[in-house]
Amino acid sequence: DAKTTQPPSMDCAEGRAANLPCNHSTISGNEYVYWYRQIHSQGPQYIIHGLKNNETNEMASLIITEDRKSSTLILPHATLRDTAVYYCVEEKSSGDKLTFGTGTRLAVRP
Amino acid sequence: DAGVTQSPTHLIKTRGQQVTLRCSPKSGHDTVSWYQQALGQGPQFIFQYYEEEERQRGNFPDRFSGHQFPNYSSELNVNALLLGDSALYLCASSLVQGSAFFGQGTRLTVV
Repeated sequence: DAKTTQPPSMDCAEGRAANLPCNHSTISGNEYVYWYRQIHSQGPQYIIHGLKNNETNEMASLIITEDRKSSTLILPHATLRDTAVYYCVEEKSSGDKLTFGTGTRLAVRP
Repeated sequence: DAGVTQSPTHLIKTRGQQVTLRCSPKSGHDTVSWYQQALGQGPQFIFQYYEEEERQRGNFPDRFSGHQFPNYSSELNVNALLLGDSALYLCASSLVQGSAFFGQGTRLTVV
């Protein structure tokens, strides 16, 4: 069963930052937080992952709280193409199975 | 560099039949995982193959079986199809210690 909880839907205006929260209150010390997104009818796309430090790449930033019980994915300048379902996933180690919940449906409006 | 490729993209089968889905991993990846995604749900882990052996398995019946070949490609077989097996089947590849990259999936409809 999924161990993360996310709001079912969010929206934001094009060009603004989208901040997607995730609670993972039972995360273990050796579990990573992964974020994937899935655009309609396509396979999930890897976005970013982290263990305890904040991470940034060309797609997004990941902020993990000090107690590691929650995280926020930040898309700094959302575009219409960022409309998708975003999944926050705990994973014991890179290469382990991913346990998905139902994710957050993000709608970016013009 | 081709990513993860799956075939076929769509197929329709009759209840009770058997089906084989295929996956070619991203170049350099040696681990293949299969997921089932029902409409409106997140992907559910079926199993993972590494070095031609099933390394992990999710909560799926024995009707679901797989295989990995020496070139790291993989097949998912489902026997005695049920209407409830209708779903998007996703293949993901990775290095044994690495982030997973997904294919576009195979949409299976059982009638």
